[in-house]
Amino acid sequence: AQSVSQHNHHVILSEAASLELGCNYSYGGTVNLFWYVQYPGQHLQLLLKYFSGDPLVKGIKGFEAEFIKSKFSFNLRKPSVQWSDTAEYFCAVNGGDKVIFGPGTSLSVIP
Amino acid sequence: EAGVTQFPSHSVIEKGQTVTLRCDPISGHDNLYWYRRVMGKEIKFLLHFVKESKQDESGMPNNRFLAERTGGTYSTLKVQPAELEDSGVYFCASSQTGTDYYGYTFGSGTRLTVV
Repeated sequence: AQSVSQHNHHVILSEAASLELGCNYSYGGTVNLFWYVQYPGQHLQLLLKYFSGDPLVKGIKGFEAEFIKSKFSFNLRKPSVQWSDTAEYFCAVNGGDKVIFGPGTSLSVIP
Repeated sequence: EAGVTQFPSHSVIEKGQTVTLRCDPISGHDNLYWYRRVMGKEIKFLLHFVKESKQDESGMPNNRFLAERTGGTYSTLKVQPAELEDSGVYFCASSQTGTDYYGYTFGSGTRLTVV
């Protein structure tokens, strides 16, 4: 069965700090990988996705993620966070008809 | 284009009552999904419609939950009778079949509180 784990439950950073959120998945076949974000009071939005090709994927708002197949990982990065990046971030994987989400990482950015 | 619409946005009901949640997907999206997030826990898959057919309902917790998608347009999720543990946020998502198949668009969710 597919599963997704995220390394941190809650991350607190100061503005301009670099961000890396860890994500590992468990699935034996070909997968599609996603990061979703939920800003306070808003609905889930797709941040970026990986289907195939270049394992370094660039998304919206300066985020990127790297797919490392050998490590079953899809970590999210941003070189310099802003207060507006405060949100909850969900890693997700799809190896069939449905998407499975990780437990989420809450990011708080302090001005 | 209009997004995925869910209503109500909030619902507070007593244990034992019935609640019906509604989801209107993006027009033309054949795939419709229901997910649930119980407080502080992960977002869990409930079921998947392709048009009006249930493709996968393996995530439905028990027979108190009934989902329908008559005519392949909007979907309803009924909880009857509601229990305390049903409290949470219910998300609906839709997607096209095709090149963007795996890019879900989510609704804003319905926050259900059972007291």
